[in-house]
Amino acid sequence: AQSVTQLDSQVPVFEEAPVELRCNYSSSVSVYLFWYVQYPNQGLQLLLKYLSGSTLVESINGFEAEFNKSQTSFHLRKPSVHISDTAEYFCAVSEASGTYKYIFGTGTRLKVLA
Amino acid sequence: EAGVTQFPSHSVIEKGQTVTLRCDPISGHDNLYWYRRVMGKEIKFLLHFVKESKQDESGMPNNRFLAERTGGTYSTLKVQPAELEDSGVYFCASSQALNPWDEQFFGPGTRLTVL
Repeated sequence: AQSVTQLDSQVPVFEEAPVELRCNYSSSVSVYLFWYVQYPNQGLQLLLKYLSGSTLVESINGFEAEFNKSQTSFHLRKPSVHISDTAEYFCAVSEASGTYKYIFGTGTRLKVLA
Repeated sequence: EAGVTQFPSHSVIEKGQTVTLRCDPISGHDNLYWYRRVMGKEIKFLLHFVKESKQDESGMPNNRFLAERTGGTYSTLKVQPAELEDSGVYFCASSQALNPWDEQFFGPGTRLTVL
């Protein structure tokens, strides 16, 4: 069965420091990978996604994630965080064939400290 | 363009009562999804509509949950009778095309508390 693991439930980091949010998945079929972000009192917003091709994908606000097939990982990184990056981040997968639902991880709360 | 909206934002009810959650997807989006997040756990899929038809309802926990999407526009999710374990945040999402790689657009969620 598919599953997504986000081992870190909370990550505190100082402003301008780098951060990595970890995501591992297990699946018997090919998957598409997503990172969503939820700011307080808002819905989930797509941050970036991996479909195929280059294993490194980037978002418009400086985040990047690298797909590693051998390690079944899709970790999210940012070299220098801002206070405004404080939010909850969710990793998700969907099967390349079959159903269209997302399988989510448990989420990681990123708190950026001044 | 308006995003996905959900009503109410919060609902507090007693065990045994009935609650109906509503979701209005983005206009023109044929696909509508319901998810639920129980506190501290992952967001879990409940069901998927394509227009007014249920494409996948494999995540519905039991027959106390009834989802409808009359006319293929807004959707309602009714819980009757509510139990304590139904507490959580219920998210609705919509997407335009039926592809597994498509972005799903999420609403802000309805926080349901069953006392």
